[in-house]
Amino acid sequence: KAGVTQTPRYLIKTRGQQVTLSCSPISGHRSVSWYQQTPGQGLQFLFEYFSETQRNKGNFPGRFSGRQFSNSRSEMNVSTLELGDSALYLCASSQTGWGYNEQFFGPGTRLTVL
Amino acid sequence: DQQVKQNSPSLSVQEGRISILNCDYTNSMFDYFLWYKKYPAEGPTFLISISSIKDKNEDGRFTVFLNKSAKHLSLHIVPSQPGDSAVYFCAASADRAAGNKLTFGGGTRVLVKP
Repeated sequence: KAGVTQTPRYLIKTRGQQVTLSCSPISGHRSVSWYQQTPGQGLQFLFEYFSETQRNKGNFPGRFSGRQFSNSRSEMNVSTLELGDSALYLCASSQTGWGYNEQFFGPGTRLTVL
Repeated sequence: DQQVKQNSPSLSVQEGRISILNCDYTNSMFDYFLWYKKYPAEGPTFLISISSIKDKNEDGRFTVFLNKSAKHLSLHIVPSQPGDSAVYFCAASADRAAGNKLTFGGGTRVLVKP
């Protein structure tokens, strides 16, 4: 089975721009979660999607948004980029949207905002 | 407000000896705990988990201990191997009906010396 894939792997943007990151979960997995990893704040939960619906949301501003498609693939969008948005963005998939399922992480997208 | 804390940012251990990683949490609603391992340029990999109804879970060289009264958990790796050198994250989840939101600690970097 192919693992979680994220594209692109690396991205450089400038302040004020917007960016879209993509995540393809493991086949059969219906839940996709997004996390931001920074040196200062560690790994922080952004949001989770299950069956095209946002189930959970972390404490991030509205500039961070996401969506999930009918094939479970997910995208996250960050508008009006700030320097502090530079981070590793990780996507994780699991089979269901409830219970204690192992989450499988992708390799991440490294976003640099200049 | 850090709900999950890993107070030791790094740990150095000799190959063959025991590695003990510690994690403290403050949120009484957490009832499921996980450990992840992360290599550079890769996403976190699930290692082992424990439900709050247990105080110990073992999987090969990895054992997780949970002390609910102290809101403390630990991961024991015996024997430690050079391939175990990585960053280890403790994570916690509350309310299985709420989905797959994980709250992570800041990580402990483990170096296993040959």
